[in-house]
Amino acid sequence: GQNIDQPTEMTATEGAIVQINCTYQTSGFNGLFWYQQHAGEAPTFLSYNVLDGLEEKGRFSSFLSRSKGYSYLLLKELQMKDSASYLCAVSSGDYKLSFGAGTTVTVRA
Amino acid sequence: TAGITQAPTSQILAAGRSMTLRCTQDMRHNAMYWYRQDLGLGLRLIHYSNTAGTTGKGEVPDGYSVSRANTDDFPLTLASAVPSQTSVYFCASSDGAGAQETQYFGPGTRLLVL
Repeated sequence: GQNIDQPTEMTATEGAIVQINCTYQTSGFNGLFWYQQHAGEAPTFLSYNVLDGLEEKGRFSSFLSRSKGYSYLLLKELQMKDSASYLCAVSSGDYKLSFGAGTTVTVRA
Repeated sequence: TAGITQAPTSQILAAGRSMTLRCTQDMRHNAMYWYRQDLGLGLRLIHYSNTAGTTGKGEVPDGYSVSRANTDDFPLTLASAVPSQTSVYFCASSDGAGAQETQYFGPGTRLLVL
């Protein structure tokens, strides 16, 4: 089976940094995705990691350690518009994308 | 570009009734997917199609059926709705069906089964 764990909620202040952790135990691994989902809206793609290391994309960075079954999404210089749910998803083969329950991030002024 | 559209936006359905959720994409993507999203459980795959004319079962297929007559459309049918099918349903598509392909999601259909 697939087991993907991430914290339920996190709160941070505008301008700060927040790190959202994701641990996974899956039958097969072909990469890890992060999606952002604002309340009442569709998930939108943020990042994809398949090799170990850090991928930086503007204010957002994603890290992967395949040996540890661990990833994190780093949000820097937080803005109010970053208040959303962040979904960790593991690809374990064609058509098979398994999602964690999501982490709701609240940014406070 | 519209991307992916879903209809209806929301629906209240009596238990035992049937309903078809519509999904259309204009990106000429080969693969399409149906997920349901429930609080605390995350997105779960119901059915998928890697190309027109083929479909497959996902993690939670029971009570649902799909068809893929052409590239653009991927309707999801509930033959006889039950309250446990109350959920938010998202349709998604990707250019290919490979493990590295990014999936793009529609706006969702909110379904309440009473």
